[in-house]
Amino acid sequence: NAGVTQTPKFQVLKTGQSMTLQCAQDMNHNSMYWYRQDPGMGLRLIYYSASEGTTDKGEVPNGYNVSRLNKREFSLRLESAAPSQTSVYFCASSDRTGWRYGYEQYFGPGTRLTVT
Amino acid sequence: GIQVEQSPPDLILQEGANSTLRCNFSDSVNNLQWFHQNPWGQLINLFYIPSGTKQNGRLSATTVATERYSLLYISSSQTTDSGVYFCAVELRGLIYNQGGKLIFGQGTELSVKP
Repeated sequence: NAGVTQTPKFQVLKTGQSMTLQCAQDMNHNSMYWYRQDPGMGLRLIYYSASEGTTDKGEVPNGYNVSRLNKREFSLRLESAAPSQTSVYFCASSDRTGWRYGYEQYFGPGTRLTVT
Repeated sequence: GIQVEQSPPDLILQEGANSTLRCNFSDSVNNLQWFHQNPWGQLINLFYIPSGTKQNGRLSATTVATERYSLLYISSSQTTDSGVYFCAVELRGLIYNQGGKLIFGQGTELSVKP
């Protein structure tokens, strides 16, 4: 099992350009997440998808859109990149979410994005 | 919102020393995970520990959910233990299928010297 994979690993964009970050998991997990990590900080949730066909905003959703393409894949799109979006982006998945019991999340290797 | 505080922020150890990292959180949680972020940026799952004690080799963790803290113990540290250790908690969702959001602490940066 590859676990959670992300493409690309590195990307440099100019301000105003658009791009899509891809994420796929092969663990048959229901829930998927996108986080960003800025220097010297912990990760912050951008968007998540509790199950196929649903998406919801996290802590820092502005400037991003997501698509849950199928159960395996969850993409993150930057429509008009800004320097403030320079960060490392992590995708994660978990078996499912609940309201009384939590489930362990597994993370991909990350995408390092620089916007100039 | 929920606060997650880790201490100490930085720690320097000689190889072979033991250490304890602490994570305090301000609200009831469904889940607590400890991660190690290695110098290459990869996040490695260490423990999924909403309560109780677990051990994995030289590492162990204890979560006391009623008192809202968790401890990560590293014994006989090695240079490969260097990196940042994150604690993350999952908020208890108000309705089914609305949980799953991990809130991360700021991390403890560990440097183990040979």
